[in-house]
Amino acid sequence: KAGVTQTPRYLIKTRGQQVTLSCSPISGHRSVSWYQQTPGQGLQFLFEYFSETQRNKGNFPGRFSGRQFSNSRSEMNVSTLELGDSALYLCASSFDGLNTEAFFGQGTRLTVV
Amino acid sequence: QKEVEQNSGPLSVPEGAIASLNCTYSDRGSQSFFWYRQYSGKSPELIMFIYSNGDKEDGRFTAQLNKASQYVSLLIRDSQPSDSATYLCAVRQGAQKLVFGQGTRLTINP
Repeated sequence: KAGVTQTPRYLIKTRGQQVTLSCSPISGHRSVSWYQQTPGQGLQFLFEYFSETQRNKGNFPGRFSGRQFSNSRSEMNVSTLELGDSALYLCASSFDGLNTEAFFGQGTRLTVV
Repeated sequence: QKEVEQNSGPLSVPEGAIASLNCTYSDRGSQSFFWYRQYSGKSPELIMFIYSNGDKEDGRFTAQLNKASQYVSLLIRDSQPSDSATYLCAVRQGAQKLVFGQGTRLTINP
């Protein structure tokens, strides 16, 4: 059974640009959630999607957005990049996002210069 | 008060001993609890998932949950150098959202 796949693995962008990250969940999983990990703030919740609907959102500015497609694949977009957006972005796949396990992908390392 | 608190460590344990990691949480409504292991530069790997009070064992790992006292712990028996990593406690709040502690850095000394 394939795991959670995130692409790309590494990205370098300049300030002001935008970026799109992709996450393909485990087959059969319909919940995808996104997290930002930085050394100072740790792992912080961005948002969660289930059946193409955003069900929950963390405390991040509107520059961070996402969507989910009918095949459960999800994308996350960050517009007008800032230096502080440099982080490891992780997506987690879960069957229903409720009382079931959540598995992380390998992450996308974003560096903003 | 942080929502999920862990001792940041570092916690140093001799090889073959039991490593004990603790986590407390503030939201009484939390329903399920996770322990992840994260090696430097890698993504978190799920070690244990527990949602009922009591103990859950999987190989060398035992998770213990006490909802009345709002704590969850992870015991690692027969610790190996490969267990050296940062261990993250996560609590599912309401639905869909995991809230993480800052992690405990564990070092197993040969």
